[in-house]
Amino acid sequence: EVVLTQSPATLSLSPGERATLTCRASQSVRGYLAWYQQKPGQAPRLLIYDVSNRATGIPARFSGGGSGPDFTLTINSLEPEDFAVYYCQQRNNWPYTFGQGTQLDIK
Amino acid sequence: EVQLLESGGGLVQPGGYLRLSCAASEFTFSNYAMSWVRQAPGKGLEWVAAIGGTGGDIYYTDSVKGRFTISRDNSKNTLYLLMDSLRAEDTALYYCAKGTAAPRPHYFDVWGQGTLVTVSS
Repeated sequence: EVVLTQSPATLSLSPGERATLTCRASQSVRGYLAWYQQKPGQAPRLLIYDVSNRATGIPARFSGGGSGPDFTLTINSLEPEDFAVYYCQQRNNWPYTFGQGTQLDIK
Repeated sequence: EVQLLESGGGLVQPGGYLRLSCAASEFTFSNYAMSWVRQAPGKGLEWVAAIGGTGGDIYYTDSVKGRFTISRDNSKNTLYLLMDSLRAEDTALYYCAKGTAAPRPHYFDVWGQGTLVTVSS
C-alpha cells in the first residue's frame, strides 16, 4: 500500500499569506496525485488532479506541483474561505490511499 | 445539478449488517466508476471500494474484503454497499463519490453528504 505522509500536520497563517502543503509518497505514484479540501461538516472537494491540473471551478490561487516522492499544494494569497483541512490522494496503485491531512488554521 | 444522495446508515451491533444506497442524478451514471469513501469520527479519509461503470472492475481495501460488497443498478442510477460482519472500527461517515473516469474512478469530483454508520452494542 502506498503511504502518503502530509506535512505539516497543522499550518497557521494569516489571510493574504501563501500556504505550501507537502505530500510525500512511500513509493512511486507517477503523476497520479490529487488534492482535496474539506471544511467542517462538508464533504471533500476536488481541487487538483494529476499533480497540477485544477478541477472545474477551482480558483487560480490554488496550484499543485512536484514530482515523486514529494508533491506540493500552494495556495497564494489566502482567502478566509481557504482555511480548512487538505488531503492528498494517489490513484497509481490499489488500494487508493489518502494522506492523513493538513489542517490550515487562521493565525 | 449533479447530485449524490446516500441513505441506509444507522446503529448496528457488532457482527450485524447494513446496506447503504446512493442515488445519483443529473449525470450519465453508467459512464462513470463510483466509490465509497469513509471517514471515522474526527479522522481522515479512507477509500473503501470502487466499481466500474458497467459493474465490473470491482476493488476493495483489504480491511473490508470478504465483508463488504459494492454493486450498482444502472437502470436505477443507484450505487450500493452491502456491509456484513460489521466491526466497531467500521464506524464512520460513509460517502458515495463519483469517479472522474471509467472503468477506474481515478479521482472523486462529486461527493454525497454522507451517511453515518455506528457499530456498537
